[in-house]
Amino acid sequence: DSGVTQTPKHLITATGQRVTLRCSPRSGDLSVYWYQQSLDQGLQFLIQYYNGEERAKGNILERFSAQQFPDLHSELNLSSLELGDSALYFCASSASPDTPGYEQYFGPGTRLTVT
Amino acid sequence: DQQVKQNSPSLSVQEGRISILNCDYTNSMFDYFLWYKKYPAEGPTFLISISSIKDKNEDGRFTVFLNKSAKHLSLHIVPSQPGDSAVYFCAARFFQGAQKLVFGQGTRLTINP
Repeated sequence: DSGVTQTPKHLITATGQRVTLRCSPRSGDLSVYWYQQSLDQGLQFLIQYYNGEERAKGNILERFSAQQFPDLHSELNLSSLELGDSALYFCASSASPDTPGYEQYFGPGTRLTVT
Repeated sequence: DQQVKQNSPSLSVQEGRISILNCDYTNSMFDYFLWYKKYPAEGPTFLISISSIKDKNEDGRFTVFLNKSAKHLSLHIVPSQPGDSAVYFCAARFFQGAQKLVFGQGTRLTINP
């Protein structure tokens, strides 16, 4: 158990809809990262927050947005969903924003299926 | 543009033998390379890393080799155990305003008894 929690575990929704994925980082971690893993693909970095502020952006679509709240949990909002958005979405956390990578602790992921 | 590639989607190895997982990259700006292991229904877990200024790092049964001239790294697991069966991701770090990780597609390793 990494200490990072993600809800829900599974989500099935229709095209055009909007969903919110939630992540609670490990206790004490200030930085949260979101990744997308599509079928047979590696993890694609989407966005990073540190202590409530956006820190870095990756290949995140304009239809997607995220935020980190004062209690440090984060939410990833996906809107106008398309079939291609079906994927595993992982959240990771770390104590500081510039860790080498091995100090990123991953949650179990949310599997999103768009029908 | 896939900057980090794992060209073998799967690998099957007999228990007790050596497992070798490979990864190629294209970006010379990567300064750190990492391997993550992932079991079904779990998130990736960090396994081992290597700085770009080194060519080898060892941790127990796991050794990572880096060949910068070939832009190639490999993970050796010896001896392989059934619990090593998992998907292994290679990742590379670079700095672009902040530290970022680029992941390969993963290799599914199956250890046969």
